[in-house]
Amino acid sequence: QKEVEQNSGPLSVPEGAIASLNCTYSDRGSQSFFWYRQYSGKSPELIMFIYSNGDKEDGRFTAQLNKASQYVSLLIRDSQPSDSATYLCAVDLSGSARQLTFGSGTQLTVLP
Amino acid sequence: EPEVTQTPSHQVTQMGQEVILRCVPISNHLYFYWYRQILGQKVEFLVSFYNNEISEKSEIFDDQFSVERPDGSNFTLKIRSTKLEDSAMYFCASSPGQGGTQYFGPGTRLLVL
Repeated sequence: QKEVEQNSGPLSVPEGAIASLNCTYSDRGSQSFFWYRQYSGKSPELIMFIYSNGDKEDGRFTAQLNKASQYVSLLIRDSQPSDSATYLCAVDLSGSARQLTFGSGTQLTVLP
Repeated sequence: EPEVTQTPSHQVTQMGQEVILRCVPISNHLYFYWYRQILGQKVEFLVSFYNNEISEKSEIFDDQFSVERPDGSNFTLKIRSTKLEDSAMYFCASSPGQGGTQYFGPGTRLLVL
């Protein structure tokens, strides 16, 4: 069965620290990888997407993709209390671009 | 910045009743999706829609569900005879093209009594 796995946490980091969120996926044919942030009771909000192996940086966020290891991660530098949320890894497992498969999310708390 | 909008934000219905959830995707987007999230669980794919037809659907999307794009702006999800287990947050999403990023609406919280 095609799956996306995340450590559910909770993950707590002090303000200003680096938060590291990890995700593995089952299908080597996957092409597109997304990180969404979800506050309690709200909808997923796109943080970053990555298609190619390596690192992609956007402000305080860095996505890392290793297709050989079927692993994608998100680093949040200089974490702020407002970053406290659940982070969802989503993968286009089928390669069809017609659906996303989500992980269960990692709950992040940034302590002031 | 353009956004996906959804109505209503909350819907309470009796088991066995029909509900229609409405979405207005971002105007130049071509691909439309419905997902649901049962409280405390994963976001789950229901269906994708392109060029006025379903392009993919999950096992959840059985005969009780249907989607429609009745005009140039709205995209609807109909649940014909609601069950208690249909209680969830339903998210509409749209993307500009194949493989493009999916942008989510605020969701409709459906409660079936």
